[in-house]
Amino acid sequence: DSGVTQTPKHLITATGQRVTLRCSPRSGDLSVYWYQQSLDQGLQFLIQYYNGEERAKGNILERFSAQQFPDLHSELNLSSLELGDSALYFCASSASGGDLTQYFGPGTRLLVL
Amino acid sequence: AQKITQTQPGMFVQEKEAVTLDCTYDTSDQSYGLFWYKQPSSGEMIFLIYQGSYDEQNATEGRYSLNFQKARKSANLVISASQLGDSAMYFCAMIRRASGTYKYIFGTGTRLKVLA
Repeated sequence: DSGVTQTPKHLITATGQRVTLRCSPRSGDLSVYWYQQSLDQGLQFLIQYYNGEERAKGNILERFSAQQFPDLHSELNLSSLELGDSALYFCASSASGGDLTQYFGPGTRLLVL
Repeated sequence: AQKITQTQPGMFVQEKEAVTLDCTYDTSDQSYGLFWYKQPSSGEMIFLIYQGSYDEQNATEGRYSLNFQKARKSANLVISASQLGDSAMYFCAMIRRASGTYKYIFGTGTRLKVLA
């Protein structure tokens, strides 16, 4: 158990809908990262937050947004969902300071029908 | 361009034997870090081992060791005494600092199957 929690574990929704994925980092970790893993694209970095502020952006679509709250949990919002958004979405966290190892949550499996 | 290459999409190894998973990287940075993660069929990503670019000694964590050859830009993962539970997807990743933040780049993975 990495200490990173993600809810829900599975999510099934329809095209055009909006969903919110939630992540709680390991206790004490200030950085949260979101990744999308799909068969055709592999593991893709979406966005990073550090202590409530956006720190880095990767291949995140405009239909997607994220935020990190004062208690350091993070949410990834996916809107106007398309079939191609079906994927496994990971959240990871890392500490500030010297240890930059990312610890991954169990992921949320999103299926868009 | 910064890139991680894993050339072995799939590998087989007999139980109790050692196996090497290849990883090469491309970077012009002086300072970077290299990671290996394991992803079993259940889907979670499990951190295995880390090597910093300035670390002279190869990293080891139990049955995992990282064969770091800086001049060749390779960071191969060696798993000794393979176990059936080692069957999984393995990802090599690099961390570098750019534009004031840390960026992580992942390879496409190698699927390892351990045979009884």
